[in-house]
Amino acid sequence: SQTIHQWPATLVQPVGSPLSLECTVEGTSNPNLYWYRQAAGRGLQLLFYSVGIGQISSEVPQNLSASRPQDRQFILSSKKLLLSDSGFYLCAWTVNGGYTFGSGTRLTVV
Amino acid sequence: AQSVTQPDIHITVSEGASLELRCNYSYGATPYLFWYVQSPGQGLQLLLKYFSGDTLVQGIKGFEAEFKRSQSSFNLRKPSVHWSDAAEYFCAVNVNAGKSTFGDGTTLTVKP
Repeated sequence: SQTIHQWPATLVQPVGSPLSLECTVEGTSNPNLYWYRQAAGRGLQLLFYSVGIGQISSEVPQNLSASRPQDRQFILSSKKLLLSDSGFYLCAWTVNGGYTFGSGTRLTVV
Repeated sequence: AQSVTQPDIHITVSEGASLELRCNYSYGATPYLFWYVQSPGQGLQLLLKYFSGDTLVQGIKGFEAEFKRSQSSFNLRKPSVHWSDAAEYFCAVNVNAGKSTFGDGTTLTVKP
């Protein structure tokens, strides 16, 4: 069966520190992968999506970046976190058009 | 650009009562439409989806939704709400390269 793993579940980082969030998918090949951010009390904002290895599309200009070093691995990074980067980060992949989401990472920048 | 509006930020219903959550979308053609549910601190789970065909779609957990082209709506319904249905519900539209645009969500509270 297809599963998606996302870690860590929670993260507290100081302003200016680097960030690396990882997402891996099992049970499928060449999935479309997505990173979304959810601010408190709001909907989801698409940050990045990828249709294949090394192919990244950015939806929102910011100090975050994404990489896809392997077919089923999607990484969200930052060199220097800002307070405004706090939020709930969700990785997802498509199954017949609908998303399967990871369990999310709660990032608090202090 | 496509957009999704969920007019109700918060809805409270009594357990056993019926439920309808509203969703309106803006798009020039018929999009792919979805409803997701999110429990606190968790990821989202797909409840149901509409691509084409029968405008009344059935989903998991006893939910259904009806696509109405004339009203650009895709409302979610459940005949009898259970306490475990308390969560946040998101409507989404998918129009390009698998990317989805989400509404801001509706929080459902269930009274005993």
